[in-house]
Amino acid sequence: KQEVTQIPAALSVPEGENLVLNCSFTDSAIYNLQWFRQDPGKGLTSLLLIQSSQREQTSGRLNASLDKSSGRSTLYIAASQPGDSATYLCAVQSDSGYALNFGKGTSLLVTP
Amino acid sequence: DVKVTQSSRYLVKRTGEKVFLECVQDMDHENMFWYRQDPGLGLRLIYFSYDVKMKEKGDIPEGYSVSREKKERFSLILESASTNQTSMYLCASSSDRSPSFYNSPLHFGNGTRLTVT
Repeated sequence: KQEVTQIPAALSVPEGENLVLNCSFTDSAIYNLQWFRQDPGKGLTSLLLIQSSQREQTSGRLNASLDKSSGRSTLYIAASQPGDSATYLCAVQSDSGYALNFGKGTSLLVTP
Repeated sequence: DVKVTQSSRYLVKRTGEKVFLECVQDMDHENMFWYRQDPGLGLRLIYFSYDVKMKEKGDIPEGYSVSREKKERFSLILESASTNQTSMYLCASSSDRSPSFYNSPLHFGNGTRLTVT
């Protein structure tokens, strides 16, 4: 069974810093890896999707990379802002099915 | 923009009641999913459906059933609610149309926070 781990579980940084969130997975047979953002009490918002054949994807200040062979992904957030405070989850879609396996998330706090 | 709508944000039910959680998506997506989210356990898949009247068990289907009579609607049913089913329930959908299957992000609703007393 695919296991997805996110480190760290929580992170606090001052505004303006660049930061990296980490995600690892145990089975490299994946279709894609997705990063989500979740605000307190809300659903998840899709941020980036990296197909298994891709190495990275960018959206604004966000950059996600994928190293399938080593089972790792990183989400880089440039010039962090207080509005970036949320929980960030990564999930992998294994090539054995439709559903995603989620990590438990990294709770990010960006202080003014 | 894809919209996934869950009918209730908050729900309080009594032990033993039959509970229906409704989810509707407006993008003609083939795939629909029900997850529950609990502190320390993350998101766990309950059931999913890849077509009308089709359903597949996820990781924790016990105590739940689902119904998908129309493509846009996916219902989660708690046959006899118990206190350990108190949780946040999240519905999601994605497209299955080639070639987008491998490039189709999951779209979530805002969740239903269910409390069983």
